[in-house]
Amino acid sequence: EAGVTQFPSHSVIEKGQTVTLRCDPISGHDNLYWYRRVMGKEIKFLLHFVKESKQDESGMPNNRFLAERTGGTYSTLKVQPAELEDSGVYFCASSQIQGGGYTFGSGTRLTVV
Amino acid sequence: GNSVTQMEGPVTLSEEAFLTINCTYTATGYPSLFWYVQYPGEGLQLLLKATKADDKGSNKGFEATYRKETTSFHLEKGSVQVSDSAVYFCALSDPGGGGFKTIFGAGTRLFVKA
Repeated sequence: EAGVTQFPSHSVIEKGQTVTLRCDPISGHDNLYWYRRVMGKEIKFLLHFVKESKQDESGMPNNRFLAERTGGTYSTLKVQPAELEDSGVYFCASSQIQGGGYTFGSGTRLTVV
Repeated sequence: GNSVTQMEGPVTLSEEAFLTINCTYTATGYPSLFWYVQYPGEGLQLLLKATKADDKGSNKGFEATYRKETTSFHLEKGSVQVSDSAVYFCALSDPGGGGFKTIFGAGTRLFVKA
C-alpha cells in the first residue's frame, strides 16, 4: 500500500509569505495528525483529524496556522503569514485506529528566512 | 502534564557494540509506549511498542520493556550495525483529549562506526 505522502519535501519562503503543506494519508485511515519538530527539539503535536473533523487542535501554536481536511481525505496546513520561528520539519501521520502507533510521512522541511 | 525524557545524543558506537538508549516518562494514566526511528532522509517509522506494564516490544533485534515501577522504556540492542545509524524517538500515547495524541522525546542520534 502507498504510505503517507507529504509535499513539498522542502520549502524556503520569506517572512510574511504564505505556505501550504499537503498530506495524503494512507487510504482508509480516518485519523490524520500533524506534528512539527523545531530546531532539533522534540516532535510536538499540532492537531488531529478524524475524517474531516478536528478532534483535537490543542497544539496549534496560533491563528496563523490553519489546517483543513475537506472530504476526509488529504489535509493541508497553511501558515499565513509565516514567521522565522515557524521553521522546522512538519510531519503528517495517519492511522486506522487510535493509540496503536502511526505511519508517518517523510516530512516537509520549512525554512522561513 | 505527560512527558517523555530520553538521553541526549549523539551516541557513537562501534559495530557489534551493545546499545542502550534510556527513556523515562511521566503520565497520569496508563499510556502505550513506543520507539520510533528516523533513518537519514526518511520519515519516522514505528520500531516497536508496548501497551501495558511488563510488556516487551521487539523488532529488528531491538527490545524495550514497559517498566511501570520505574516509569521507563529503555531501548536495547545486543549488537548494532552501521545500518542502525539513525535518530531514535521514545514516545507515549496520551488518551487525553480523546485522540490518543503522541508525546515524543527529543530524539537520540545514534552513529555506528564500522
